[in-house]
Amino acid sequence: DVKVTQSSRYLVKRTGEKVFLECVQDMDHENMFWYRQDPGLGLRLIYFSYDVKMKEKGDIPEGYSVSREKKERFSLILESASTNQTSMYLCASSRMYNEQYFGPGTRLTVT
Amino acid sequence: GESVGLHLPTLSVQEGDNSIINCAYSNSASDYFIWYKQESGKGPQFIIDIRSNMDKRQGQRVTVLLNKTVKHLSLQIAATQPGDSAVYFCAEKTQAGTALIFGKGTTLSVSS
Repeated sequence: DVKVTQSSRYLVKRTGEKVFLECVQDMDHENMFWYRQDPGLGLRLIYFSYDVKMKEKGDIPEGYSVSREKKERFSLILESASTNQTSMYLCASSRMYNEQYFGPGTRLTVT
Repeated sequence: GESVGLHLPTLSVQEGDNSIINCAYSNSASDYFIWYKQESGKGPQFIIDIRSNMDKRQGQRVTVLLNKTVKHLSLQIAATQPGDSAVYFCAEKTQAGTALIFGKGTTLSVSS
């Protein structure tokens, strides 16, 4: 079975802190994705990566950056956390042209 | 622009009934569609997918129907069970795209 793991289930950070969210997949998938999920807004794509060191902006990249140094790991970075970044963050991975597999999510609260 | 929407934000059914969850998409170039189920506190879970060269695909208790003429996708769940209670999302992708575009979700509530 495909397994996508995220470093934390729950995280509480203060405004202005730098926040790292880690995601690891064990199926050698080329593609990895970061989404945020908010009530009434559904899943919105922040960034994705189709190969090591490659990244593409999604629909809402402002305030975020990403890093993919190894194929199995994709990190989301909040350079200076703000309260409007309080959300559920979901990581996913996929092979080319196939379904995405999701991790359990990280619920981030910025106070 | 592209958008994937669901006709109803909520659907309530009785245990044992069949459920139908609908989704409309706007991009006629989309050629791959997926249904996901998301239970409370968990990430979305893949249910079933369909490519645009098909109009029907069946899984275990689930059937996805694709009508390209009207750009409509539906998920049918047979003999709905309380464990089917969740939020269901449809998603689409074009052949040229890497990322999926998700609808906002339908909350299915099953009462026994």
